[in-house]
Amino acid sequence: DAGITQSPRYKITETGRQVTLMCHQTWSHSYMFWYRQDLGHGLRLIYYSAAADITDKGEVPDGYVVSRSKTENFPLTLESATRSQTSVYFCASGAGTGLSGANVLTFGAGSRLTVL
Amino acid sequence: AQTVTQSQPEMSVQEAETVTLSCTYDTSESDYYLFWYKQPPSRQMILVIRQEAYKQQNATENRFSVNFQKAAKSFSLKISDSQLGDAAMYFCAYRESGYALNFGKGTSLLVTP
Repeated sequence: DAGITQSPRYKITETGRQVTLMCHQTWSHSYMFWYRQDLGHGLRLIYYSAAADITDKGEVPDGYVVSRSKTENFPLTLESATRSQTSVYFCASGAGTGLSGANVLTFGAGSRLTVL
Repeated sequence: AQTVTQSQPEMSVQEAETVTLSCTYDTSESDYYLFWYKQPPSRQMILVIRQEAYKQQNATENRFSVNFQKAAKSFSLKISDSQLGDAAMYFCAYRESGYALNFGKGTSLLVTP
């Protein structure tokens, strides 16, 4: 199916465990992003990528690791989960930096992560 | 990061009425993009409307329109003829020539029959 998909949609884990959230897009968009959404904070950027093998930190990168070996995939890993990382995580992608249709960010459905 | 401020945590509107959601932002750039996203209970982020800063004309998408005041750094969203399906969290977002969006904290819109 065309689009941007996140998995898992729901995940419960324990403090200290490693967790990977997957993001896959079928449009071959150059740009991909990870945001977290917390009550009272809106969406905050964790990491982003302008192309395969190019990643950069956003506003709240501590405790997260990303990789982008293929254009279509952008996994987010919590190497040692903490309770403060309980959140809803959104992946997004876009073709470029302009304002035309393909360049506007499209979001996945979100992954709700609970760290006990 | 540039600051995007939504000063109304919650708003309420009656069906068929008009409501305006406020957004201000802080930037020293002259060209940038502004967006409103809607997030219903399904959590899906849905683009409502977009505006490029150098375009003076306010964007309109059906019942949704914006009032873009560049000098005041204000970007409000007007929803006309409100419908029950408009109930959602609304996020204002800003983007420069780069690619990442900076979001406000959101406004929760309640639509009453």
